[in-house]
Formats: sequence, structure tokens, C-alpha cells
Amino acid sequence: DTGVSQNPRHKITKRGQNVTFRCDPISEHNRLYWYRQTLGQGPEFLTYFQNEAQLEKSRLLSDRFSAERPKGSFSTLEIQRTEQGDSAMYLCASSYRDPRDTQYFGPGTRLTVL
Amino acid sequence: DAKTTQPNSMESNEEEPVHLPCNHSTISGTDYIHWYRQLPSQGPEYVIHGLTSNVNNRMASLAIAEDRKSSTLILHRATLRDAAVYYCILTPGNSGYALNFGKGTSLLVTP
Repeated sequence: DTGVSQNPRHKITKRGQNVTFRCDPISEHNRLYWYRQTLGQGPEFLTYFQNEAQLEKSRLLSDRFSAERPKGSFSTLEIQRTEQGDSAMYLCASSYRDPRDTQYFGPGTRLTVL
Repeated sequence: DAKTTQPNSMESNEEEPVHLPCNHSTISGTDYIHWYRQLPSQGPEYVIHGLTSNVNNRMASLAIAEDRKSSTLILHRATLRDAAVYYCILTPGNSGYALNFGKGTSLLVTP
């Protein structure tokens, strides 16, 4: 298994454009998380899926943000009408429902909104 | 959510032991103590976790105070590759949870 992968690794966009990121979790991991990290800060939780069900959303996830995990495997995070404040690293993590529930993180997608 | 307090930064010499402290005075009886670290330009990675007893794995040791209000992550011999931000995180038991990272401790390792 190659771990959690995220694409693209970098995205530069103009304000007002829509962007979509993809996360491929470790196979057989049924939980998938999205986090956002700005410079000098720790990652902040955005949302969480168990299989295809989105079970929790942070208040940070404004209505411009939407996340899906249609078949309980890969997930997409879309940001509509991007703003400069959306510039950040977007991290995806997955875990398997066992007593430890350790989260394994991908390398992230760095978004720059001009 | 119970909060943790960590020093902003620490420095260590290479091949010396490192003790990274974490205070969590409002921890509840079912909260687990997790440590993750984030190397530069990478996503966070799991280091270790525990509930009440001290824990050891190939990466580190976790020493938990008897009253569970503090814990210490121990790196037995720091290497340059251990330079990272270390996060102490409490989680409410063994169900799915969002990690509350905070700012962590930035560890500098000097040769």
C-alpha cells in the first residue's frame, strides 16, 4: 500500500474560480478526514466521512465548501468562488475503524488564491 | 474539548534524549493522549498514544503522569530527522474523531 495520496499537490487559482481536490485513502480504510492548515498553525478539522456518509462538519466549512465520498473510497473537496483567505494546505487523512483509529495523512494540496 | 498546553519550541543536540512536555489538566477519564508530528513540508504522522500506562514503540516512549494531567513524549536519541512540530492531542475514546492539533512544539535538533 502506498499510503494516502492527494492530487494535485499544488494549485494556483484566481479569486472567484472553483477548485476541486482529490484524496485517495489507504485501501480498506473506512474513515476519511479533511483538514486545512495555514502557515504557522496546526491543521484544523474540516469534515469527516465514515464510508460514504459525511458524519461531521466543522463550522469552518462554509457553504462554499463541499466534500463528497460517493462510493466510500476516494473523496473530493470542492471550493466554489475561491477567496484569498482560502489559501492554505488542504490535508486528507484516513483511518480504519479499530481501537487505535490512528489517522494516516497524505502530503496535502497547497492552494494559492491570487 | 479538553485542551493541551505545550511549549512553543524546544532545542536538542543530536543523539541526546529529548523530553517534550504536555499539560492537559482538564483531561477526562476516557480521553486518550495522542502524539503526532509534522516534518517540514509533509503531512502529520502518528507517533504514539496511551490512556493510563506508559507506552513504548519503535519511535518513542510516552510517560503519563499518575493523575493523567500531564504527559511527556520521550525521544531516546534525537536525530536531525526528528526536527519537526510535535502535537499532543486528546481524543474522546475510540470512535471516529477530529484531531485538535493546536500549535504544537517546534523541535530543533542541532548537530
